[in-house]
Amino acid sequence: GENVEQHPSTLSVQEGDSAVIKCTYSDSASNYFPWYKQELGKRPQLIIDIRSNVGEKKDQRIAVTLNKTAKHFSLHITETQPEDSAVYFCAATLNNNDMRFGAGTRLTVKP
Amino acid sequence: GAVVSQHPSRVICKSGTSVKIECRSLDFQATTMFWYRQFPKKSLMLMATSNEGSKATYEQGVEKDKFLINHASLTLSTLTVTSAHPEDSSFYICSARAPRDRSTSNEQFFGPGTRLTVL
Repeated sequence: GENVEQHPSTLSVQEGDSAVIKCTYSDSASNYFPWYKQELGKRPQLIIDIRSNVGEKKDQRIAVTLNKTAKHFSLHITETQPEDSAVYFCAATLNNNDMRFGAGTRLTVKP
Repeated sequence: GAVVSQHPSRVICKSGTSVKIECRSLDFQATTMFWYRQFPKKSLMLMATSNEGSKATYEQGVEKDKFLINHASLTLSTLTVTSAHPEDSSFYICSARAPRDRSTSNEQFFGPGTRLTVL
């Protein structure tokens, strides 16, 4: 089955700096890679996703890149703000079945 | 986006009792719902996939007799934790996958979660 690894587990940046979170996956058949933001005690919220036929996707300050050959994908947040502080999870799935999550990255943006 | 509700949001029960958690898709029909478990400061672990009108598919290591799943309608899936024990205490989150005719057909929408505490 799919196995997703995520790094780093914690990340602290200064407000305005960029943050990068990286994930690798094991199943080359996976074709959908969402990123979720979860605040304490709340539900995960989808912030961006990418499908396997695309190498990069951007939405304002957030971007995701996918390298299918190497089986890794990354989340990039630019111009970070304190409200970006949360736990971020990557996930990988084939057609959105059996979604496997990474272990999570706790991002802290210091003002 | 689509809305998924979960009830109750928090439940405290005695060891040995059973607890039912409901997951509802409020503005769309979901043929597939998923149940996850999340320990404090940990990731979401898929427990089972719930398909309307058929038996749930459980992940390896998840006891199907312990965690009963019923998906009797296109908008409701229930998870019943039977004979709960303190080690079952956790945050349980459901999600529903949007149908193919929606523009977000690949996205899973998460419920707000249920925090179960077994004394």
